[in-house]
Amino acid sequence: DIQMTQSPSSLSASVGDRVTITCRTSQSISIYLNWYQQRSDKAPQLLIYAASTLQSGVPSRFSGSGSGTDFTLTISNLQPEDFATYYCQQSYNTLWTFGQGTKVEI
Amino acid sequence: QVQLQESGPGLVKPSETLSLTCTVSSGSMNNYYWSWIRQPPGMRLEWIGYVYHNGGTSYNPSLQSRVTISVDTSKNQFSLKVNSVTAADTAVYYCARHGCTNGVCPLDFWGQGTLVTVSS
Repeated sequence: DIQMTQSPSSLSASVGDRVTITCRTSQSISIYLNWYQQRSDKAPQLLIYAASTLQSGVPSRFSGSGSGTDFTLTISNLQPEDFATYYCQQSYNTLWTFGQGTKVEI
Repeated sequence: QVQLQESGPGLVKPSETLSLTCTVSSGSMNNYYWSWIRQPPGMRLEWIGYVYHNGGTSYNPSLQSRVTISVDTSKNQFSLKVNSVTAADTAVYYCARHGCTNGVCPLDFWGQGTLVTVSS
């Protein structure tokens, strides 16, 4: 299995802040890395796929970067609706795995 | 826009079979992969397996011996069965679509999720 490790596990931030979340994989996955947002008790929503491509309809304050084993999700100008848990997920092989999540709190 | 909706019992007894159905609306099932994912309380998401529109499947090896995923495109539905359940199978179960682009297959549409509790 490809292991996914996110950091930090949680963070406190304020509206307007710039937030960075990191995802590290146990082996190189090229750009086969996706990011999801999960608001409390809701289904995850796709934010970014292929490491840096913004999903249609997602605000441009979300951005992704990285390749190989190290990836970053950045949220600039944090908005109240962005307080949620964020997951990375690899789709390099058909055993798709997720990170443990990063909770962004006020 | 594609919508997915899970349905099935919310309570299953230990050792019995968990059965869920996902109904896809406002879109075709053709040429897509369709997955089941679960999330135990307070834990990370876990991919269970997928079915392709032609019936081809792939499963998480950790669950493969107990899981069957099938598709019925005439009803726009796909289904999940998990045999011999235990309390460890208690989770919110999601169905989702893979929207593949240039070989990258993220989960672009999700159902709202359904909580399944395994308890006697």
